[in-house]
Amino acid sequence: LAKTTQPISMDSYEGQEVNITCSHNNIATNDYITWYQQFPSQGPRFIIQGYKTKVTNEVASLFIPADRKSSTLSLPRVSLSDTAVYYCLVGDIPSGGYQKVTFGTGTKLQVIP
Amino acid sequence: GAVVSQHPSRVICKSGTSVKIECRSLDFQATTMFWYRQFPKKSLMLMATSNEGSKATYEQGVEKDKFLINHASLTLSTLTVTSAHPEDSSFYICSARDRGHEKLFFGSGTQLSVL
Repeated sequence: LAKTTQPISMDSYEGQEVNITCSHNNIATNDYITWYQQFPSQGPRFIIQGYKTKVTNEVASLFIPADRKSSTLSLPRVSLSDTAVYYCLVGDIPSGGYQKVTFGTGTKLQVIP
Repeated sequence: GAVVSQHPSRVICKSGTSVKIECRSLDFQATTMFWYRQFPKKSLMLMATSNEGSKATYEQGVEKDKFLINHASLTLSTLTVTSAHPEDSSFYICSARDRGHEKLFFGSGTQLSVL
């Protein structure tokens, strides 16, 4: 299983773009990169998933370089409600096999008014 | 997206009693579900992988007789904390993989407090 490394915490002002980078040097060929958001006392919520290049949805963008050894979650114009812990997961989730998924430390994002 | 329902959201019990937590996939079939434990301000720790129709696979250090997992159908997995003690107090979260959406979805978690 690919180990992930993220910054422990980040601060940002409201309205700014936030980029959170995750390192996963030993990512495997079949692994996808998935980001989750977790608020206190709640289960993680899916944000975005990708395999390579760039993926964008209504809430975030995910940038993955060609070597796939890192990825960057981009949150445009954050608000106070985006204060949460963000986890980067790497694993072969879509394959249909019994691949377990383990969490790293996550990044605690604090949005400041 | 797909919905994973987890109940109860909060439970308080006396030491020595058993507590059952349910995890249901509401609009998809989940052959595999995962159970996690999370302490305050810490990351999620995988406890076991629950496979429909077969025995669960436990992570190292997790007592299978303490944390009983049953995955009797494609939409339901249960975690029973047997003979609970105060050190079992924690936030427990389940997740299920939705093959149709190729994603992992999580329940809302259960806060267990053992007195």
